[in-house]
Amino acid sequence: ILNVEQSPQSLHVQEGDSTNFTCSFPSSNFYALHWYRWETAKSPEALFVMTLNGDEKKKGRISATLNTKEGYSYLYIKGSQPEDSATYLCAFSPGGGADGLTFGKGTHLIIQP
Amino acid sequence: DGGITQSPKYLFRKEGQNVTLSCEQNLNHDAMYWYRQDPGQGLRLIYYSQIVNDFQKGDIAEGYSVSREKKESFPLTVTSAQKNPTAFYLCASSISDRGNSPLHFGNGTRLTVT
Repeated sequence: ILNVEQSPQSLHVQEGDSTNFTCSFPSSNFYALHWYRWETAKSPEALFVMTLNGDEKKKGRISATLNTKEGYSYLYIKGSQPEDSATYLCAFSPGGGADGLTFGKGTHLIIQP
Repeated sequence: DGGITQSPKYLFRKEGQNVTLSCEQNLNHDAMYWYRQDPGQGLRLIYYSQIVNDFQKGDIAEGYSVSREKKESFPLTVTSAQKNPTAFYLCASSISDRGNSPLHFGNGTRLTVT
């Protein structure tokens, strides 16, 4: 079973502040890295899928970077808003990419007004 | 609107009974997946299907069974052999089984077995 680690487990951030958190994954046999946002009482929603080392993707105030050689990805949120409160999941897909995703435990983000 | 529908939202069963969780999608996706979430754990893959009439075991398939007779449907049966069936179950689909296709999730079914 593959090991995907996310840190921190939870995070409290003041509204307006920027924040970031980490996803670590196996650096060998990499195929793709996914980020999802999971708000309470909703279903997880895909944010990014990244496949190339050095990839950087952006969606509004949220961006992500990928380092496949060292096996980590960062998710950044600029100017946090209350609606950013959610659990952020990363998921790793190994080489070939046809065996389903392995998820981390998530980072639970709470934005305090 | 296209999406994935899981039903029911809450399900209660007595120990020793089999129970089937429904998952239907109208996204025309080839691949479908079942994940389980337990407190303090990441989503764990139970079964997945890349195409109709074919499916593979995930990391925690013991005590579960699935079928994929139609492209849009991927029901999960939790059998009495599953030792800890109480959990939150999420169904997902993707355009293809390639790992660079984002997953689309249903709203989940919370199963409680007493």
